[in-house]
Amino acid sequence: QKEVEQNSGPLSVPEGAIASLNCTYSDRGSQSFFWYRQYSGKSPELIMSIYSNGDKEDGRFTAQLNKASQYVSLLIRDSQPSDSATYLCAVNPYSSASKIIFGSGTRLSIRP
Amino acid sequence: ETGVTQTPRHLVMGMTNKKSLKCEQHLGHNAMYWYKQSAKKPLELMFVYNFKEQTENNSVPSRFSPECPNSSHLFLHLHTLQPEDSALYLCASSQDLGGASYFEQYFGPGTRLTVT
Repeated sequence: QKEVEQNSGPLSVPEGAIASLNCTYSDRGSQSFFWYRQYSGKSPELIMSIYSNGDKEDGRFTAQLNKASQYVSLLIRDSQPSDSATYLCAVNPYSSASKIIFGSGTRLSIRP
Repeated sequence: ETGVTQTPRHLVMGMTNKKSLKCEQHLGHNAMYWYKQSAKKPLELMFVYNFKEQTENNSVPSRFSPECPNSSHLFLHLHTLQPEDSALYLCASSQDLGGASYFEQYFGPGTRLTVT
């Protein structure tokens, strides 16, 4: 089992709709969770971090964490073409405090 | 300069060359990282430095040699690379809170390396 798993996509969502990105992780003791956005040819950009169960909202983005089920998700409301990118889920596992583990990413495409 | 900077942005080198990648962070962080990102593969952690001390070496071949002279600067020395080492090399930094597991990492723009 991979430490951090994401559906590779592509996920195609119409403009203005809600995009839902999911991620599961294997280390039950993980404490910190992150979502990065990466445009083609660019470096990852941190967009959300979440540490407690529940929802965390920042503008059009909402991160959701459920530690019991070991999943974290990212919702993007009112999707825009500029949201088209690869979204990377990252987890700081309890077993290794000095690093974060990245998933392989979900490619999101917003169609006009 | 702000954030995390990397030079050069692009590098083409032969298999017998020696080159170095440079990373500098202007965020006051105390931990720095090297990652490799190949096409269609997830980010691979290579090295972690915490307070200038190497804390992780993810089974990286010895043809990659990191150097961290202080908490703001990180180098990756390259020699006798192979074509399969062609990739985007990313540097990141974070603030290690010493036991707390909050690791928001911020990335530099990367160096696109091509080995011919």
